Amino acid sequence: EDQVTQSPEALRLQEGESSSLNCSYTVSGLRGLFWYRQDPGKGPEFLFTLYSAGEEKEKERLKATLTKKESFLHITAPKPEDSATYLCAVQASYGGSQGNLIFGKGTKLSVKP
Amino acid sequence: ETGVTQTPRHLVMGMTNKKSLKCEQHLGHNAMYWYKQSAKKPLELMFVYNFKEQTENNSVPSRFSPECPNSSHLFLHLHTLQPEDSALYLCASSPGGGSYEQYFGPGTRLTVT
Repeated sequence: EDQVTQSPEALRLQEGESSSLNCSYTVSGLRGLFWYRQDPGKGPEFLFTLYSAGEEKEKERLKATLTKKESFLHITAPKPEDSATYLCAVQASYGGSQGNLIFGKGTKLSVKP
Repeated sequence: ETGVTQTPRHLVMGMTNKKSLKCEQHLGHNAMYWYKQSAKKPLELMFVYNFKEQTENNSVPSRFSPECPNSSHLFLHLHTLQPEDSALYLCASSPGGGSYEQYFGPGTRLTVT
């Protein structure tokens, strides 16, 4: 069964304290892995797509990496405005859920000034 | 208007009411989706439409009825809902074809009393 597990469930950081969020997945052939940011009461905002192991993408203080079993979202010197829930999703190449996004439960990040 | 819009943003309805949620995408995409987001749970895919044709119904109860009159508009008709249907309902769209990123609207916060 295709599934996504994100850890930790919640993470509290001080401003400037770098850390990483984890997304572990099992999927019937990975077509793509997606990271989203979601603010309270809003819809998820697309951040990155990763397609193959070894791929990396960066945007401001965020850097996403991918291996054959997991992805990391590294946050360098975070600021309070980075506080949000970060969602990971995978898309399978084949199988019953082919083409659909399978989401994890998310990691709620709080950055204190 | 840009991106994906949803109306209403908030809805309170009784169990015997009938209401509809509306979604419109201004991105020229060909696929549209309805998701349900409940606390402590991953996003649950409900329906998928590709080029106005329903391609996925993820075992959703018949009290939820989708409608997709064209590639830009998507509706979710609600009737005789249960309190456990209270959640954030999210609409998303994607280009289809070789591009798989989904772009989300702000959601409708539904409360069933």
